[in-house]
Amino acid sequence: QSALTQPASVSGSPGQSITISCTATSSDVGVYNYVSWYQQHPDKAPKLMIYEVTNRPLGVSNRFSGSNSGNTASLTISGLQAEDEADYYCASYTSGSWVFGGGTKLTVL
Amino acid sequence: DAQVVESGGGVVRPGGSLRISCAVSGFSLDEHDMNWIRQVPGKGLEWVSSIKWNAGNTNYADSVKGRFTIFRDNAKNSLYLQMNSLRAEDTALYHCARVGDVSGYYLYAFDMWGQGTMVTVSS
Repeated sequence: QSALTQPASVSGSPGQSITISCTATSSDVGVYNYVSWYQQHPDKAPKLMIYEVTNRPLGVSNRFSGSNSGNTASLTISGLQAEDEADYYCASYTSGSWVFGGGTKLTVL
Repeated sequence: DAQVVESGGGVVRPGGSLRISCAVSGFSLDEHDMNWIRQVPGKGLEWVSSIKWNAGNTNYADSVKGRFTIFRDNAKNSLYLQMNSLRAEDTALYHCARVGDVSGYYLYAFDMWGQGTMVTVSS
């Protein structure tokens, strides 16, 4: 069982905004400073979308944003597009190791 | 372009061993910490192991500790994972992933991934 809990699925219509949550369920896994988010399309390698909670790598659309509050980190995608349909994973670094959330399937209706 | 390419996957019997490799190009391996991350087809990501840029420190998930060994050869621009005492539950696509570093700033995130090499443990 993952120490980071994500909803199994979320959906939204083109143009809308959605938010995916990532909640730490173990006291030794924090979501404070080192949360990252990855997008994975079918049969493709994951792609880094957000690092250190809020930062976007070069080339990632500003429609993607990250935040955290308490023990929950969130990824928000605004202005949904068909190409955003994918699986999304959060990850957190703690004391030399990483843990991933179980993943969320985003469906663009 | 910078990339990482895994190889060496295959079918192995339970209890057997296998070594998989990750060849990097387009960047200097000795400037980055590296990791192995696995994924059962259709399932989520699971971090397996990490190694510091100078091989000075390694870490392992509890599920593989004592059975897997990560090592690197910076001169050959290659990362490896030696897997012993393999179990059916080790069956997965194994990705090589680079920890990002921008002008010396450590990203605590994986900014480059390979497509993976499939390891199947079956009798």
